[in-house]
Amino acid sequence: DAKTTQPPSMDCAEGRAANLPCNHSTISGNEYVYWYRQIHSQGPQYIIHGLKNNETNEMASLIITEDRKSSTLILPHATLRDTAVYYCIVRVKNAGNMLTFGGGTRLMVKP
Amino acid sequence: NAGVTQTPKFQVLKTGQSMTLQCAQDMNHEYMSWYRQDPGMGLRLIHYSVGAGITDQGEVPNGYNVSRSTTEDFPLRLLSAAPSQTSVYFCASSPDWGIDSPLHFGNGTRLTVT
Repeated sequence: DAKTTQPPSMDCAEGRAANLPCNHSTISGNEYVYWYRQIHSQGPQYIIHGLKNNETNEMASLIITEDRKSSTLILPHATLRDTAVYYCIVRVKNAGNMLTFGGGTRLMVKP
Repeated sequence: NAGVTQTPKFQVLKTGQSMTLQCAQDMNHEYMSWYRQDPGMGLRLIHYSVGAGITDQGEVPNGYNVSRSTTEDFPLRLLSAAPSQTSVYFCASSPDWGIDSPLHFGNGTRLTVT
């Protein structure tokens, strides 16, 4: 499975854009990049996913480099409620359709 | 839509007791699964189902049973609770089996076995 590398923690000022990086240099051509977050022991919340192209939804934007070896999740206007652990996951086809969560980035949004 | 609903939110069991963790989704999703989350271990897949009447084992199935009699419900049964099953349990569902299909999680059941 392609592994991901994320910084363990980041800070962001409220109202500013939060840019969360992720390296996945061993990703294969048919594997998707997913982002989830987990707020204070709630269930993981799906944010966004993509294969090759940049993606945007009501929560965030996902920028994937042309070689697909890294990506950035952008929260355009971070609020205090965005404080959470953010997980970048490379999703592969496997028995059970299992998602493998790594260590993630703990994002702290500060007033 | 309520999404994925898990009950109860909290449960304390004594060793050897049995119980069922409930999971229901109202999104007509075909795929459902159970994970457990332990400190320092991430989420691990227990059992999953690709449709009504079909279940299979995940990464850590021992001590747990599942059934899928309807599309909406996917209960997880602990047959004889052990302290090692103290954990937070999450149910998740997705529209289908494909890796282009996002998993949506419930808010968990926090189980303590004494």
